[in-house]
Amino acid sequence: DTGVSQDPRHKITKRGQNVTFRCDPISEHNRLYWYRQTLGQGPEFLTYFQNEAQLEKSRLLSDRFSAERPKGSFSTLEIQRTEQGDSAMYLCASSLAGHRAKNIQYFGAGTRLSVL
Amino acid sequence: QKEVEQNSGPLSVPEGAIASLNCTYSDRGSQSFFWYRQYSGKSPELIMSIYSNGDKEDGRFTAQLNKASQYVSLLIRDSQPSDSATYLCAVAAGGTSYGKLTFGQGTILTVHP
Repeated sequence: DTGVSQDPRHKITKRGQNVTFRCDPISEHNRLYWYRQTLGQGPEFLTYFQNEAQLEKSRLLSDRFSAERPKGSFSTLEIQRTEQGDSAMYLCASSLAGHRAKNIQYFGAGTRLSVL
Repeated sequence: QKEVEQNSGPLSVPEGAIASLNCTYSDRGSQSFFWYRQYSGKSPELIMSIYSNGDKEDGRFTAQLNKASQYVSLLIRDSQPSDSATYLCAVAAGGTSYGKLTFGQGTILTVHP
């Protein structure tokens, strides 16, 4: 068990560019979540998957954001045409949901995005 | 009204004292409640989970839940300087099948020697 892994840890980009982040969950976990956190605030839910199915997406999430989990293992979060307001820490979490599972969410170290 | 509210602090307590952190939530359908600790620049780390009314103790930490009052708290006994961090209250609808977590803004705790 190596924990939730996120890559890259830091990303600096210019406004208007596209960026993609990767998350590798804890190996046996079937659920994967994306959150966004800005300074002084708690994490804000973006979307989550159970296996490869995207079960919920925040209504606040712009169409510029898309997430995939094609084989039910790692996930990618893409932001198109980045804006300065997208600057934040993007956190990934994973959990094991199902019979007798506690479904506790464990967080990765996050990807810090700075849009110039 | 925010869905999950916490006093942002900072809360400052002396070493060895009891730190009391509070959280209220608006969704009466909430069934799962969590406290996460977040050190500066690090990711949230789970401290406690609680699902039923009453108290749940784990070492120096006690979580208290009152669903009628829509209130959950965290007590830290014998506070240590290493407890200095931001404490996040998180709430979810549903039991262990819950999906997303809704977080409060966090309470900054400082434990001074």
